[in-house]
Amino acid sequence: AQKVTQAQTEISVVEKEDVTLDCVYETRDTTYYLFWYKQPPSGELVFLIRRNSFDEQNEISGRYSWNFQKSTSSFNFTITASQVVDSAVYFCALSEASTGGFKTIFGAGTRLFVKA
Amino acid sequence: ETGVTQTPRHLVMGMTNKKSLKCEQHLGHNAMYWYKQSAKKPLELMFVYNFKEQTENNSVPSRFSPECPNSSHLFLHLHTLQPEDSALYLCASSLGGASYEQYFGPGTRLTVT
Repeated sequence: AQKVTQAQTEISVVEKEDVTLDCVYETRDTTYYLFWYKQPPSGELVFLIRRNSFDEQNEISGRYSWNFQKSTSSFNFTITASQVVDSAVYFCALSEASTGGFKTIFGAGTRLFVKA
Repeated sequence: ETGVTQTPRHLVMGMTNKKSLKCEQHLGHNAMYWYKQSAKKPLELMFVYNFKEQTENNSVPSRFSPECPNSSHLFLHLHTLQPEDSALYLCASSLGGASYEQYFGPGTRLTVT
């Protein structure tokens, strides 16, 4: 069965600190896709990144970086030099090719507070 | 036009009322989704439509009735709801398929009194 676990419910940091959000997933599929979304206070989830199961290269986009490790079934997200605008709830999600992508499973989310 | 719009943004309804939530996407996507987001619970997938055909109904009670007249519009008809149905209802769209990300609307905050 597919499952996404975000063990950190809330994280609080001071501006300019680095912070890592953890995501652990379970799947029996060999082809699957992992996503991160950001939900600011306004409500709508915003897509941040997608990785497929065949591409374990880490990715960096500005202050954001993602570490995908199949060996530990993890897809962690790091924000470098955090800013107040990073305060939001962050969701990790899993989509399996066998379900046609219509049963995306979201983790419970990690609420990040960045204090000035 | 923003990608995915939802109306109304806030709705208060009694348990005997009938109301509808509307979602519209301007992205040319084929798939549309309804999610329920309650406090302290993960996002719950409710319904999925692909090319106007319902592909998923995640054991949602019949007091929630979806309608997808075309690939750009999605409705959620509500009747005789319960207080535990109070939540943020999010609509999303995508190109369909496992590899595509979803684009979300701002949600409708529903309160059932």
